Amino acid sequence: QVQLVESGGGLVKPGGSLRLSCAASGFTFSDYYMSWIRQAPGKGLEWVSYISSSGSTIYYADSVKGRFTISRDNAKNSLYLQMNSLRAEDTAVYYCARAVAGNGAFDYWGQGTLVTVSS
Amino acid sequence: SSELTQDPAVSVALGQTVRITCQGDSLRSYYASWYQQKPGQAPVLVIYGKNNRPSGIPDRFSGSSSGNTASLTITGAQAEDEADYYCNSRDSSGNLVVFGGGTKLTVL
Repeated sequence: QVQLVESGGGLVKPGGSLRLSCAASGFTFSDYYMSWIRQAPGKGLEWVSYISSSGSTIYYADSVKGRFTISRDNAKNSLYLQMNSLRAEDTAVYYCARAVAGNGAFDYWGQGTLVTVSS
Repeated sequence: SSELTQDPAVSVALGQTVRITCQGDSLRSYYASWYQQKPGQAPVLVIYGKNNRPSGIPDRFSGSSSGNTASLTITGAQAEDEADYYCNSRDSSGNLVVFGGGTKLTVL
């Protein structure tokens, strides 16, 4: 069965960095676009970034562009999110999600990892 | 980018039909997808594309679209349908992804 397991969250000071990982299993990872989506405490969902199956196409939300970098290692079935210059407003649960081809929909989600940016 | 607008809260009597809507310019070009999220859990995809349900989603969930408005209809709402519902789609450029603000559904 499809599984997505995020890790790497934690408490970080403003201006700091953190790298999130998402381990995928149960499907051919290299066939799918993948995305990071976040949810601030008590708030709605916010799309962060997506990466194509080969890694050649990448897009970011304006709120993270220039600070976050998405990447993937298809040999390791893993998705990453490098987060730099973190701000308090980046505090959220970060989910990795598998994209439905050509649709903008996400059919499988991980359980999420909490990132807290606070001094 | 573009925005998707949802009503913050909707209620429905047990067993009745409820429609949750999502408005946005990008919906004139792209289908909306719908997600159900219960407290402390990850979102679950319930409708995508024209009106497609992933495996395991009950057929009381259906989707439709007209102009700039997409709708999720629950026909015969059950107590377990009480949750937050989010729509999403591509933005008008087709390159980015946007989510609606979410609708809290209460089943009375």
